[in-house]
Amino acid sequence: DQQVKQNSPSLSVQEGRISILNCDYTNSMFDYFLWYKKYPAEGPTFLISISSIKDKNEDGRFTVFLNKSAKHLSLHIVPSQPGDSAVYFCAASATGSWGKLQFGAGTQVVVTP
Amino acid sequence: DAGVIQSPRHEVTEMGQEVTLRCKPISGHDYLFWYRQTMMRGLELLIYFNNNVPIDDSGMPEDRFSAKMPNASFSTLKIQPSEPRDSAVYFCASSWAGGEPQHFGDGTRLSIL
Repeated sequence: DQQVKQNSPSLSVQEGRISILNCDYTNSMFDYFLWYKKYPAEGPTFLISISSIKDKNEDGRFTVFLNKSAKHLSLHIVPSQPGDSAVYFCAASATGSWGKLQFGAGTQVVVTP
Repeated sequence: DAGVIQSPRHEVTEMGQEVTLRCKPISGHDYLFWYRQTMMRGLELLIYFNNNVPIDDSGMPEDRFSAKMPNASFSTLKIQPSEPRDSAVYFCASSWAGGEPQHFGDGTRLSIL
């Protein structure tokens, strides 16, 4: 049972434009959310996180938005760069089970010149 | 700084053989996680340790899988006997505290023939 869903397997965006990646979750106990980026033949790399007490967190070109009522979060990358081409995973955990990250299936982002 | 180190990077073996995957977490990190990534199931948590003690092994698929952490700088994941359906990429990750982002190694690509 997938509790974290990334319904778009792929996204193509032009360099300099905004990339918007979406993630939905079903477990209302989730209160900590993370985004990871993964290049081929490498492990996932942590990008940005947000706790449920916030609705937005920003770090440079990356911003994560959380809509708790909709059980939805999104990652905005502005501006998109060629080095952003990778697979992006959304992950979530619940208080008391914070170590048990549930990952989405990932979204492949391709940034074109 | 040295990240999480996994060995071997690739392993090809025949069905029925014992497989041992190794992980060295980041120094000072108290938590260690083992994940498996497959096309069908995505990235799933197998087991995690806190201060060398297994905390949650509910993700371990079968008794053929076992994991140990004899000290703070080393962990193993063993599969005995191995089966073709165990073919996957196995990641190890570590974090310094509960609720902190996990840092992943580059994985071991395991192929069971």
